Amino acid sequence: DGGITQSPKYLFRKEGQNVTLSCEQNLNHDAMYWYRQDPGQGLRLIYYSQIVNDFQKGDIAEGYSVSREKKESFPLTVTSAQKNPTAFYLCASRDYASTDTQYFGPGTRLTVL
Amino acid sequence: GEDVEQSLFLSVREGDSSVINCTYTDSSSTYLYWYKQEPGAGLQLLTYIFSNMDMKQDQRLTVLLNKKDKHLSLRIADTQTGDSAIYFCAERGNNDMRFGAGTRLTVKP
Repeated sequence: DGGITQSPKYLFRKEGQNVTLSCEQNLNHDAMYWYRQDPGQGLRLIYYSQIVNDFQKGDIAEGYSVSREKKESFPLTVTSAQKNPTAFYLCASRDYASTDTQYFGPGTRLTVL
Repeated sequence: GEDVEQSLFLSVREGDSSVINCTYTDSSSTYLYWYKQEPGAGLQLLTYIFSNMDMKQDQRLTVLLNKKDKHLSLRIADTQTGDSAIYFCAERGNNDMRFGAGTRLTVKP
């Protein structure tokens, strides 16, 4: 099956801890994205990467970090510097080739205890 | 405020048609999209329309695009309880996709 996977589905973190959210795709897409979704709100862009070993800050990058060492993988680290990390995190990849569409993973719900 | 705007809530009766409206800001957007999000899940692409089209129909879904007014709509015919979800309108930007805040569709039996 081709697609985007995110793990874990649910994640609990104590205050002051860093956590890493996984995102993997086997769609051979060059670009990948991380969004944050809060209740009743739309999606806000955290980071994106258009090619391996390169990434750019989005609108709300503070307190987050990413890496893109492989085309298939784009992990997001939520650091202790992120003041309000409890949210639903969505990863996406972009298909430049046809309709320039973004496809989304199932999401990870992060809760800070 | 959001670059892409949608009303937040819509309630219809099962079997009726639903119309979800969206206004966008970037007249150079080449594609516009509708996504569906069910509770606790990611966004699922429903349909898209190329900017040189006025209308696209796909089974129960009809998308209308008015480029002059930068207005996009999604009509769902014969709405079912399984259509209850949040619907996001999105436009393609230079480096990313811009989303509306989502319209929560509630279908009453």
